Amino acid sequence: AQTVTQSQPEMSVQEAETVTLSCTYDTSESDYYLFWYKQPPSRQMILVIRQEAYKQQNATENRFSVNFQKAAKSFSLKISDSQLGDAAMYFCAYSSFGNEKLTFGTGTRLTIIP
Amino acid sequence: EPEVTQTPSHQVTQMGQEVILRCVPISNHLYFYWYRQILGQKVEFLVSFYNNEISEKSEIFDDQFSVERPDGSNFTLKIRSTKLEDSAMYFCASSFRLAGGSSTDTQYFGPGTRLTVL
Repeated sequence: AQTVTQSQPEMSVQEAETVTLSCTYDTSESDYYLFWYKQPPSRQMILVIRQEAYKQQNATENRFSVNFQKAAKSFSLKISDSQLGDAAMYFCAYSSFGNEKLTFGTGTRLTIIP
Repeated sequence: EPEVTQTPSHQVTQMGQEVILRCVPISNHLYFYWYRQILGQKVEFLVSFYNNEISEKSEIFDDQFSVERPDGSNFTLKIRSTKLEDSAMYFCASSFRLAGGSSTDTQYFGPGTRLTVL
């Protein structure tokens, strides 16, 4: 079974600075997908970014980018120019190719310091 | 932008009562899911549903749980006899079926239903 590990329960960053959230996963599969979801205090799950394992290029979405290291099974999220609205719980998630379910990590609570 | 909706936003029930949580997935999506999140814990997969049947379920999804797509738009989760430990946030999600048959696509989540069992 696949597992997802987020080793940083809490992180904080000054507004406008850059922060990196870590995620590692364990799988024996070669084709899979990785996601970062954001959960603000409203508790809605919002997709931040998605990475296909077969793509070598790291995904980016505006201020959000990932560092995908397939051999190391690492998938970190970098948030540039942090904003107050980025404060949330961030979950890393894994999905096998052709299998629907998402396996989530335990989350990292990100605090933005004004 | 289309979104997944869920009702009610908060449901309070007595232990042993039946509850039905409702979801309206994004209209052109064909795969539907339920997840739950006990307060302070990670999100856990419950069940996936495609073509009017369960495609996968977790060990959490026991005989007390059932899912149904009663019409062309709603997707429901029923808990037959609620327990205290069923108190959690329940999320519905949906995804679009890619060409070629793979269901692996981004899952879009609803805002959740907070279930409180007293």
